[in-house]
Amino acid sequence: EIVLTQSPATLSLSPGERATLSCGASQTVTSNYLAWYQQKPGLAPRLLIYDTSSRATGIPDRFSGSGSGTDFTLTISRLEPEDFAVYYCQQYGSASLTFGGGTKVQIK
Amino acid sequence: QVQLVQSGAEVKKPGASVKVSCKASGYTFTTYGLSWVRQAPGQGLEWMGWVSTYNGNTNYAQKFQGRVTMNTDTSTSTAYMELRSLRSDDTAVYYCARGGASFDPWGQGTLVTVSS
Repeated sequence: EIVLTQSPATLSLSPGERATLSCGASQTVTSNYLAWYQQKPGLAPRLLIYDTSSRATGIPDRFSGSGSGTDFTLTISRLEPEDFAVYYCQQYGSASLTFGGGTKVQIK
Repeated sequence: QVQLVQSGAEVKKPGASVKVSCKASGYTFTTYGLSWVRQAPGQGLEWMGWVSTYNGNTNYAQKFQGRVTMNTDTSTSTAYMELRSLRSDDTAVYYCARGGASFDPWGQGTLVTVSS
């Protein structure tokens, strides 16, 4: 199965700053079938990005995704207070779907 | 609006089985498959498998093969996930989510606690 490694594990930033989250795959993700989710404490994850760079319905344009092959990035252009959360990448290019271990974005 | 509502929390003893339900509303049930994802306390997300709401086909993660069954009842727009031979490390929040690729939306989660 494809192993996804997210870095850093924790990102400490201030509101208004830019956040760059990385997701590396152990092998090429077919057709760049990669998604990003946001999860806040006690809540279910929410889809942000699918197919590497397409924003899900209702997601603000400060969230953007990029990458290809084995290296993918989620960028939050200017952090809002509600963006402090845990972010997971997930690949669906193989029959066995997998998630990364998550990046926690916390207030500095 | 599209919504997935799951059944309530469960407490089970080791070796028992649990069956979690997920009722869909706000869309045509058979248009999208349903997946199940779990999250152990303080841990990340783990995909368990997917069920087609159209024909009942399934794709289970190898880790759960032989121990999990996913199915649906199209008459009530409800999906089910049964996990057998429970162990303490099966203690987790279990989520259903619409889709078999990316997942949107998710149910609210069902806490399953396995304890003697």
